[in-house]
Amino acid sequence: DTEVTQTPKHLVMGMTNKKSLKCEQHMGHRAMYWYKQKAKKPPELMFVYSYEKLSINESVPSRFSPECPNSSLLNLHLHALQPEDSALYLCASSLRAGVKDTQYFGPGTRLTVL
Amino acid sequence: AQRVTQPEKLLSVFKGAPVELKCNYSYSGSPELFWYVQYSRQRLQLLLRHISRESIKGFTADLNKGETSFHLKKPFAQEEDSAMYYCALSRAYNTDKLIFGTGTRLQVFP
Repeated sequence: DTEVTQTPKHLVMGMTNKKSLKCEQHMGHRAMYWYKQKAKKPPELMFVYSYEKLSINESVPSRFSPECPNSSLLNLHLHALQPEDSALYLCASSLRAGVKDTQYFGPGTRLTVL
Repeated sequence: AQRVTQPEKLLSVFKGAPVELKCNYSYSGSPELFWYVQYSRQRLQLLLRHISRESIKGFTADLNKGETSFHLKKPFAQEEDSAMYYCALSRAYNTDKLIFGTGTRLQVFP
């Protein structure tokens, strides 16, 4: 398996809902990332996990809560989101963190907050 | 602060014409530069990185530290090159934090 997979592909949620995004890779990568991409904008880094520990948090609001339960899985828990949080959420992984390894991206989850 | 600038939102050329997608950066240290590409309905993927100094799909990019540029070039564009191209920067020793430019959409007409 040489891909990063993300589920669901699309998600519509209300501002009071709690939902989770899931990202999985089975390439043995030990670094995983969450990015947010608004329409017609570049991806912006949100979080980096290195060896299942949070290593970078780019001052993301607490309504986004990442979790890395094991080396293959990365979740993003969503709670009390705002309409402006509607975006494409991309997951990526790389072999190791803190070095010069290429990041491989998933297809993204398109989130709409009503 | 690190910044990547791609001045062209859209670049349109005819098949067989040369292509140059511009990328300028600002960073006080030694950067590592990348080009990522996103074809229609496909995921973002690495096209090339300056440290590799290789040609991928006929594309090349040279890091010019004097001009702080990393322009992407191809001598003869193909229709299948039509895509969104992002230039990205990271610190030389650690590529965890990629900073992307705003992207250039390349359209290659037959």
